[in-house]
Amino acid sequence: DVKVTQSSRYLVKRTGEKVFLECVQDMDHENMFWYRQDPGLGLRLIYFSYDVKMKEKGDIPEGYSVSREKKERFSLILESASTNQTSMYLCASSTTGQTGELFFGEGSRLTVL
Amino acid sequence: QKEVEQNSGPLSVPEGAIASLNCTYSDRGSQSFFWYRQYSGKSPELIMFIYSNGDKEDGRFTAQLNKASQYVSLLIRDSQPSDSATYLCAVIRYNFNKFYFGSGTKLNVKP
Repeated sequence: DVKVTQSSRYLVKRTGEKVFLECVQDMDHENMFWYRQDPGLGLRLIYFSYDVKMKEKGDIPEGYSVSREKKERFSLILESASTNQTSMYLCASSTTGQTGELFFGEGSRLTVL
Repeated sequence: QKEVEQNSGPLSVPEGAIASLNCTYSDRGSQSFFWYRQYSGKSPELIMFIYSNGDKEDGRFTAQLNKASQYVSLLIRDSQPSDSATYLCAVIRYNFNKFYFGSGTKLNVKP
């Protein structure tokens, strides 16, 4: 079974803190993604990576950065957390191709106070 | 204009009925189309994908794609209470790497 593992299911942080969300996949997928999901707004792409050390901005990259030093690991970094970054964060991975399915992790619910 | 549009619902159907979920997309370069199901508090899971015009059936689920009209739909036959979830439509554009999601349609199947 494909497994995408997110390091933390629930986090509570204070405004201004630096936050790391880690994601590891075990299927040798080229592509990895970070989404946030908010009620009524659906899934919005923050960043994605199609190779080690490669990254591309998604639709809402402001306030976030990412790191992909190894193929299996994709980290999302909030340099200075703000209350409007309170959300569910979903990591996903996929192979490249027309029918490449997205496999999701269980999600990390971040609350910024 | 959003890349992918869905009616947020909720769509309520009685048990045993056919549920019809619809999705439209804006970019004619979109090439593959996916339906994901998301239970409350859980991650999305893939139900079906389709990339050719027409119908694709898998058990109780049928995906329909009409590229000329830029819409994709999901039919669920013999709906069950366990089908109650939010259904997300997603498309991949020409570079195959970037998925765009609709905001989802909430389906309630009443016993």
